[in-house]
Amino acid sequence: EPEVTQTPSHQVTQMGQEVILRCVPISNHLYFYWYRQILGQKVEFLVSFYNNEISEKSEIFDDQFSVERPDGSNFTLKIRSTKLEDSAMYFCASSGSLAGSYEQYFGPGTRLTVT
Amino acid sequence: GQSLEQPSEVTAVEGAIVQINCTYQTSGFYGLSWYQQHDGGAPTFLSYNALDGLEETGRFSSFLSRSDSYGYLLLQELQMKDSASYFCAVRTILTGGGNKLTFGTGTQLKVEL
Repeated sequence: EPEVTQTPSHQVTQMGQEVILRCVPISNHLYFYWYRQILGQKVEFLVSFYNNEISEKSEIFDDQFSVERPDGSNFTLKIRSTKLEDSAMYFCASSGSLAGSYEQYFGPGTRLTVT
Repeated sequence: GQSLEQPSEVTAVEGAIVQINCTYQTSGFYGLSWYQQHDGGAPTFLSYNALDGLEETGRFSSFLSRSDSYGYLLLQELQMKDSASYFCAVRTILTGGGNKLTFGTGTQLKVEL
């Protein structure tokens, strides 16, 4: 069964450093998303991406964040200058195929620890 | 804005039936999804309701009442492996394409022998 993959599984970085989280969505999906989950809290929407542009972003997704689909398979989230409060689990998700399914399928996540 | 309320914790015994409720206040409501999450794992899609009524998928069923802004997830024949967090999530359609999930606070289900 096709699945969303994410790398790395765990990333430790120092405050102020840039990090890039990588995702490979399900191959025939059209819509891509990033969510985050701070330990013990709910999953929060960050951004959605379709047709090579952002279709919506949340208040959390400020100028420090950016997303990119550099090729036909990868989808990345960049945090330009990490802060302690960016420590969280980051989930990539994808949805939508030619069959029209809108269910979102989540990857296993990247645990980001900012020290 | 969006807000979703769920009980924080539910405990039940193996083999029993449990219902997890979700009430929501939202704009642009399109449907209600349910996800399961084991500790440290990814949210896994369980069920979705766009219209009022009951949807059944194996041991899991989900119900929606749009007029009451209320839904629930019903888990039957509970197994130990069902111990996890369960999230309801409102789905809204994005004008730019795709949809957005706004998650509830989650219900920790503990299944005991």
